[in-house]
Amino acid sequence: QQQVKQSPQSLIVQKGGIPIINCAYENTAFDYFPWYQQFPGKGPALLIAIRPDVSEKKEGRFTISFNKSAKQFSLHIMDSQPGDSATYFCAASIGSYNTDKLIFGTGTRLQVFP
Amino acid sequence: KAGVTQTPRYLIKTRGQQVTLSCSPISGHRSVSWYQQTPGQGLQFLFEYFSETQRNKGNFPGRFSGRQFSNSRSEMNVSTLELGDSALYLCASSLGRGSNYGYTFGSGTRLTVV
Repeated sequence: QQQVKQSPQSLIVQKGGIPIINCAYENTAFDYFPWYQQFPGKGPALLIAIRPDVSEKKEGRFTISFNKSAKQFSLHIMDSQPGDSATYFCAASIGSYNTDKLIFGTGTRLQVFP
Repeated sequence: KAGVTQTPRYLIKTRGQQVTLSCSPISGHRSVSWYQQTPGQGLQFLFEYFSETQRNKGNFPGRFSGRQFSNSRSEMNVSTLELGDSALYLCASSLGRGSNYGYTFGSGTRLTVV
């Protein structure tokens, strides 16, 4: 119930492609869904986040699509660039105001070739 | 603005020893969380401190402990080290409790137990 399932494990696209990473959850109490980007040797960095009352959110080339009924959410990277090559993690948490526990997906290693 | 600082960056310890890792949050941030990252288990929540009190704890044995000081700096301690404790330990700080504030991760301490 506390798990967040992420797929695919790895993804290879060419520059300009639109990689899509999917996540699914079971616990309907989750109310915050962030995506993190991690480069080798660095900690995860917050990319974009969404709450269940919104079906889509865009920030620059990054878009989250959220399907509350299916309990799924996904990250789309428009016009992907070699600099986007990194590991991406989806996450979820419960309680916007009184908890600091993030449940992470298993990660997707993205490689963008020129 | 300085980010989250974790020291040391790398550490090699022998089985049975104990280790202390340090985290200095972003100035003004009062919440500090710790996560363990391994290739097999991914990112797992260890514990969260706010106002010098542990507010939340993950599913780790009692060998893992932590504390937070009045200046919000935090330390985590692992006693009686096991080979399986080899991991990247990440600290994340936030202005307050809850996902509304967002989390900023440090670059981590890479612990190797031999």
